[in-house]
Amino acid sequence: NAGVMQNPRHLVRRRGQEARLRCSPMKGHSHVYWYRQLPEEGLKFMVYLQKENIIDESGMPKERFSAEFPKEGPSILRIQQVVRGDSAAYFCASSPGSASSYEQYFGPGTRLTVT
Amino acid sequence: AQTVTQSQPEMSVQEAETVTLSCTYDTSESDYYLFWYKQPPSRQMILVIRQEAYKQQNATENRFSVNFQKAAKSFSLKISDSQLGDAAMYFCAYWGSSGDKLTFGTGTRLAVRP
Repeated sequence: NAGVMQNPRHLVRRRGQEARLRCSPMKGHSHVYWYRQLPEEGLKFMVYLQKENIIDESGMPKERFSAEFPKEGPSILRIQQVVRGDSAAYFCASSPGSASSYEQYFGPGTRLTVT
Repeated sequence: AQTVTQSQPEMSVQEAETVTLSCTYDTSESDYYLFWYKQPPSRQMILVIRQEAYKQQNATENRFSVNFQKAAKSFSLKISDSQLGDAAMYFCAYWGSSGDKLTFGTGTRLAVRP
């Protein structure tokens, strides 16, 4: 039973480029959460999605960041026109449903480096 | 808003000894969960232990146990018989029933001396 998959594991982008981070939840999970970990800090919530719906995006920066979780395929976190401050580890977690959203299983993370 | 505070940025323990990591939190909710996660150099987030607020009994997982003091809003992690593989960042986290996200502390870096 595969766990949460994230790819790529490492991503290097130059300033101004776009970054696309992908997350495939565990089998049977329909809820996805994205967290960001800046260097030497804890994880900070960004967005919570169900299939085709954004439930809570209170942690997302207002500009350049977007997320989706289509009916088919992985969840995508998209960062447009990246800046050096976007360099961080981005973690995805999934849960079986809203009633058990405390039960979040984490992927290995994507480390984004902006040069 | 809920907050989680870890006041020990770094801790060190001798192999085979016991160490306690501290965590305090602030909430007005009555229904919530508390967690300790381990993050080794690989950066994978590994769930160490979970405590439901309505349970009075402290959670235990092998060498890991918690001291949950609900009135004091304190949730410390005790690691017994420390092993070299326990060296990692440890994060305390909170989940409340009124929201869906985990709120993390800033972490404690644990070093284990051979």
